[in-house]
Amino acid sequence: AQKVTQAQTEISVVEKEDVTLDCVYETRDTTYYLFWYKQPPSGELVFLIRRNSFDEQNEISGRYSWNFQKSTSSFNFTITASQVVDSAVYFCALTGSGNTGKLIFGQGTTLQVKP
Amino acid sequence: DTGVSQDPRHKITKRGQNVTFRCDPISEHNRLYWYRQTLGQGPEFLTYFQNEAQLEKSRLLSDRFSAERPKGSFSTLEIQRTEQGDSAMYLCASSPGLAEGYEQYFGPGTRLTVT
Repeated sequence: AQKVTQAQTEISVVEKEDVTLDCVYETRDTTYYLFWYKQPPSGELVFLIRRNSFDEQNEISGRYSWNFQKSTSSFNFTITASQVVDSAVYFCALTGSGNTGKLIFGQGTTLQVKP
Repeated sequence: DTGVSQDPRHKITKRGQNVTFRCDPISEHNRLYWYRQTLGQGPEFLTYFQNEAQLEKSRLLSDRFSAERPKGSFSTLEIQRTEQGDSAMYLCASSPGLAEGYEQYFGPGTRLTVT
């Protein structure tokens, strides 16, 4: 069965610090997709990134970067020079089996960035 | 592109009453998903539609729950004889593709409180 584990429940940092959010997944599928979503206090989930299982290239988008390692089944997310606006709950997700596209979410990591 | 919309945003109901939620996906998106999110947890998959066909239902979706997507446009989720355990945020998402791996765009959710 698929599973996503985000072991860090809450992280608190001071503005401008770098922070890494961990995500470990389990799946028996050879083809799968991984996602990160942001849920700010307003509540609406915002898509951040998608990676497929055949592309282990790391990705950088502004202050955000993602490290995908199949060998350790991890898909970690780093925010560089954090800002107060980064405060939110971040979810890692994995596609379920059967080409349905349904997402299996982790429990989320609450990030608090203090000024 | 107006995004995914959901109505109502909040619903308070008494135990035993029926409630219905509506989701309007992004225009021309083929897939529509329903998730449920309880406090401190990640969203959990309930069901999804590909155009007007409901293709999968989670075990979380008891007989009291029913969903429709007539004509492959908007969708409704009805809960009959609500119970306090139904209190949660109900999220709708739509996706442009007919295969897995496409990102899902989420609506703002409907927060249900059963008293």
